[in-house]
Amino acid sequence: AQSVSQHNHHVILSEAASLELGCNYSYGGTVNLFWYVQYPGQHLQLLLKYFSGDPLVKGIKGFEAEFIKSKFSFNLRKPSVQWSDTAEYFCAVKGSSNTGKLIFGQGTTLQVKP
Amino acid sequence: GAGVSQSPSNKVTEKGKDVELRCDPISGHTALYWYRQRLGQGLEFLIYFQGNSAPDKSGLPSDRFSAERTGESVSTLTIQRTQQEDSAVYLCASSLSSSEQFFGPGTRLTVL
Repeated sequence: AQSVSQHNHHVILSEAASLELGCNYSYGGTVNLFWYVQYPGQHLQLLLKYFSGDPLVKGIKGFEAEFIKSKFSFNLRKPSVQWSDTAEYFCAVKGSSNTGKLIFGQGTTLQVKP
Repeated sequence: GAGVSQSPSNKVTEKGKDVELRCDPISGHTALYWYRQRLGQGLEFLIYFQGNSAPDKSGLPSDRFSAERTGESVSTLTIQRTQQEDSAVYLCASSLSSSEQFFGPGTRLTVL
């Protein structure tokens, strides 16, 4: 069965620190990968996605993620976080052969101290 | 803008009662998904609609859960004889084919 693992459950950083959130998935076939973000009091929204091509994908607000197929990983990075990045971050995978449902990791809460 | 909307935003019910949750997808989105998020956990897939048919119901946790969709419009998720373990945020998402899913604000269900 497909699964997604996010290693960091709660991360606390100071502003300007660099961020890397880990995400590993288990699925044998071609995958589409996503990072969603939920800011306090807001809906889940898409941060970035990987379908094919360049494994380094750039998203909104300076975020990027790298797909490493050999490691089944899709880690999220940002060189310098801001207080406004405080949110919950979810990694998700969609197998190309399934009906489009997303399998989510359990989420990482990021708290950025000003 | 017309995003995904859900109602009610909050629902408190007593154990054993039935509840109905509603989702209005983005107009023109053929695919609709229901997910559940329990406290401190990630989202769990419940059911997928393509139009008004449900080719994937694999995530429905028991026969107390059912859902329907009218055409490519509104969907309702019904939970019969609610139990305390049903307490969660129920999220709806819609998309065009297999592209990005757009999420609604969710319905927070509390079963006392």
